[in-house]
Amino acid sequence: GQQLNQSPQSMFIQEGEDVSMNCTSSSIFNTWLWYKQDPGEGPVLLIALYKAGELTSNGRLTAQFGITRKDSFLNISASIPSDVGIYFCAGQLGLTGTASKLTFGTGTRLQVTL
Amino acid sequence: DARVTQTPRHKVTEMGQEVTMRCQPILGHNTVFWYRQTMMQGLELLAYFRNRAPLDDSGMPKDRFSAEMPDATLATLKIQPSEPRDSAVYFCASVGEGSSTDTQYFGPGTRLTVL
Repeated sequence: GQQLNQSPQSMFIQEGEDVSMNCTSSSIFNTWLWYKQDPGEGPVLLIALYKAGELTSNGRLTAQFGITRKDSFLNISASIPSDVGIYFCAGQLGLTGTASKLTFGTGTRLQVTL
Repeated sequence: DARVTQTPRHKVTEMGQEVTMRCQPILGHNTVFWYRQTMMQGLELLAYFRNRAPLDDSGMPKDRFSAEMPDATLATLKIQPSEPRDSAVYFCASVGEGSSTDTQYFGPGTRLTVL
């Protein structure tokens, strides 16, 4: 099936550093979402984006919906040890409120060192 | 605290055996998704249901996989016969009707190992 390309695949950073990751697709989406998965758990939604160009923040997290609707990025500022995990982007083609299926990215594994 | 629950959390079985995984969506949620996660393929959608009716099962190998919702509080994913390549973590997720955010709430997953 189709997958979204995420980069980087993995990153090691020091506590306090800022982190950037992005997600690209060959096709457009109407909604972009960012999830985080902790070991042994299911993904948890961090941020949802509904309009091209939209910039949304959730605490130390900021995400943007690309103008072309084919990409999105996620920034984490001042990383802390509990930011460790796998971050997934996901695209939804269906309009908001339709609860349609998601296409997930390949994931970015984040490790934070003290 | 409303959560999606899945059972069993872990399952080890031998090739050729039947496997049934269960999911209890959040009460009131009417859309249920089944995903499979592997290192090689990542998170893939297998099937999803709305109001207990299958909407899309194009991601599911039909010859051995089947998904059903016997009632609004239970979704099942069955593999018969199982094969080693089915080893993966299987997640279900649910969404509430009329959700303005389409937030999919994921369960903790069932880790399946087929020997």
